[in-house]
Amino acid sequence: RKEVEQDPGPFNVPEGATVAFNCTYSNSASQSFFWYRQDCRKEPKLLMSVYSSGNEDGRFTAQLNRASQYISLLIRDSKLSDSATYLCAVNLNTGGFKTIFGAGTRLFVKA
Amino acid sequence: GAVVSQHPSRVICKSGTSVKIECRSLDFQATTMFWYRQFPKKSLMLMATSNEGSKATYEQGVEKDKFLINHASLTLSTLTVTSAHPEDSSFYICSASTGVETQYFGPGTRLLVL
Repeated sequence: RKEVEQDPGPFNVPEGATVAFNCTYSNSASQSFFWYRQDCRKEPKLLMSVYSSGNEDGRFTAQLNRASQYISLLIRDSKLSDSATYLCAVNLNTGGFKTIFGAGTRLFVKA
Repeated sequence: GAVVSQHPSRVICKSGTSVKIECRSLDFQATTMFWYRQFPKKSLMLMATSNEGSKATYEQGVEKDKFLINHASLTLSTLTVTSAHPEDSSFYICSASTGVETQYFGPGTRLLVL
């Protein structure tokens, strides 16, 4: 079983749609959680950290369920510019830390 | 702030040669740097973690003698792919951290081994 699993997609949605990404992780000792956005042939960019209380940044909402070891990202009113790959990431405590990434979910937003 | 650079951005080399990739934190001191590899349509795979002045910690399955990592200063880490082969062709990305859980990614280096 992969340490961090995501639906590979792709998701094809029209502009204005709401799209949900899901992610599960296997290591119960995981300590922090993130969503990254990666554009084609570029490095990943941090989209948001994910907290149990849920957090929102404009059209983006992230949620963590530690009991189910599940992380979600919701994008409302999707824009063409949201087209990218969305990566779920989990930090493990190693004394320092190390990050395990999911394989990513590709999103295409179409006019 | 928190800018990380990588050099070169892309490199093409012949099989059997060695390639060095530099990762620099430009405006902060990075106690820890990470090296990742990403194959097309695949996720970033952590290769190794390096701390300034100490030996890198390699992930399982990553050959330390093939992927030499040096973290000589708080702003520079290098990854050398020794005796590169076509299967080493990939996108190599570094990130730098001050030790708190945030990491800043470099723009990546695209390696093609012919």
